[in-house]
Amino acid sequence: DSGVTQTPKHLITATGQRVTLRCSPRSGDLSVYWYQQSLDQGLQFLIQYYNGEERAKGNILERFSAQQFPDLHSELNLSSLELGDSALYFCASSGLTGELFFGEGSRLTVL
Amino acid sequence: GEDVEQSLFLSVREGDSSVINCTYTDSSSTYLYWYKQEPGAGLQLLTYIFSNMDMKQDQRLTVLLNKKDKHLSLRIADTQTGDSAIYFCAERDSSNTGKLIFGQGTTLQVKP
Repeated sequence: DSGVTQTPKHLITATGQRVTLRCSPRSGDLSVYWYQQSLDQGLQFLIQYYNGEERAKGNILERFSAQQFPDLHSELNLSSLELGDSALYFCASSGLTGELFFGEGSRLTVL
Repeated sequence: GEDVEQSLFLSVREGDSSVINCTYTDSSSTYLYWYKQEPGAGLQLLTYIFSNMDMKQDQRLTVLLNKKDKHLSLRIADTQTGDSAIYFCAERDSSNTGKLIFGQGTTLQVKP
């Protein structure tokens, strides 16, 4: 158990819909990272928050947004969903030597 | 930008050693990491190595780092069927964000 919690574990929705994925980092960790894992793209960095502020942005689509709340949990919002958004979405928080601790992921299926 | 490359597949027999290789591009990377992903699960940190080290051993795992060639390897001794998984190499981004850049992952198949 990494200490990073993600919900929901599985999500099935239709094209055009909007979903929210939630992440709670390990106790005491201030950074949250979101990654997308798809079969053809591997693990792609989406966005990072540190203590409530956006720190880095990767290959995140404009239809996607995220935020980190004062209690340090984070949410990733995916809107106008397309079939190609089907993937595993991982959240991670970072340890003292920069290692990332990953949650179990949220598997999104868009039909 | 940074890039991390791995071979996609490796098959070994139970009891043999496995060696998974990785090359990276950012010579200023301070830490390099190995993660394991079992089917349907998240990524589990296996080990990491600091860039001023050549080797790190942790039980059945040995990490070798060749900074000159920007080559990282993970050796698993006495490979077991439970080691079957996808193994990801990652380098720490050279910016100050701390994000990791991952390779495509190497699927290790262990045959009994």
